[in-house]
Amino acid sequence: EPEVTQTPSHQVTQMGQEVILRCVPISNHLYFYWYRQILGQKVEFLVSFYNNEISEKSEIFDDQFSVERPDGSNFTLKIRSTKLEDSAMYFCASSEARTSGGETQYFGPGTRLLVL
Amino acid sequence: RKEVEQDPGPFNVPEGATVAFNCTYSNSASQSFFWYRQDCRKEPKLLMSVYSSGNEDGRFTAQLNRASQYISLLIRDSKLSDSATYLCVVGPLLMDTGRRALTFGSGTRLQVQP
Repeated sequence: EPEVTQTPSHQVTQMGQEVILRCVPISNHLYFYWYRQILGQKVEFLVSFYNNEISEKSEIFDDQFSVERPDGSNFTLKIRSTKLEDSAMYFCASSEARTSGGETQYFGPGTRLLVL
Repeated sequence: RKEVEQDPGPFNVPEGATVAFNCTYSNSASQSFFWYRQDCRKEPKLLMSVYSSGNEDGRFTAQLNRASQYISLLIRDSKLSDSATYLCVVGPLLMDTGRRALTFGSGTRLQVQP
């Protein structure tokens, strides 16, 4: 069964450093997403990406965040200057681009980011 | 008011028990509904979509009441492997390249005991 993959599984960084989280979505999917989950809290939407541009973003996704699809398979989330409160599990997800009916978002295993 | 509200639990039940989880959502524009399962420190995995007519998948039954903005999940004959956090998730109507962000509840923890 095809699955979303993410690297690295864990990342520790110093406050103020830049991090890039990587994802390989399911190959025939056209919509890509980043969500985050702070420890003990709910999963929160960050951004969706379609046709090489951001289609939707949340209040959390401010100027320090950016996303990119640098090639035909990878989808990345960059945090420019990390803060302590960015410590969380970051999940990548992907889905087909249906226009009606149900659509499932498939989640990757996550990258656990710890900012010190 | 929280967008998606769930009883956090934990629900501690013996093997073989029937357990029900409830969820309410505040956005009446929500048009897609799901139950996801999340094991400790793992990613959410789709358990089932929820349709207006109600739907069943083996031991799992989901119901949707749009008028009350209420979603339920019933698990029959609980197994040890059902122990997890169950996430109630709502999403928008799919229209072309419209909004797709999912809104998650905080989850209800289930612990099935031998």
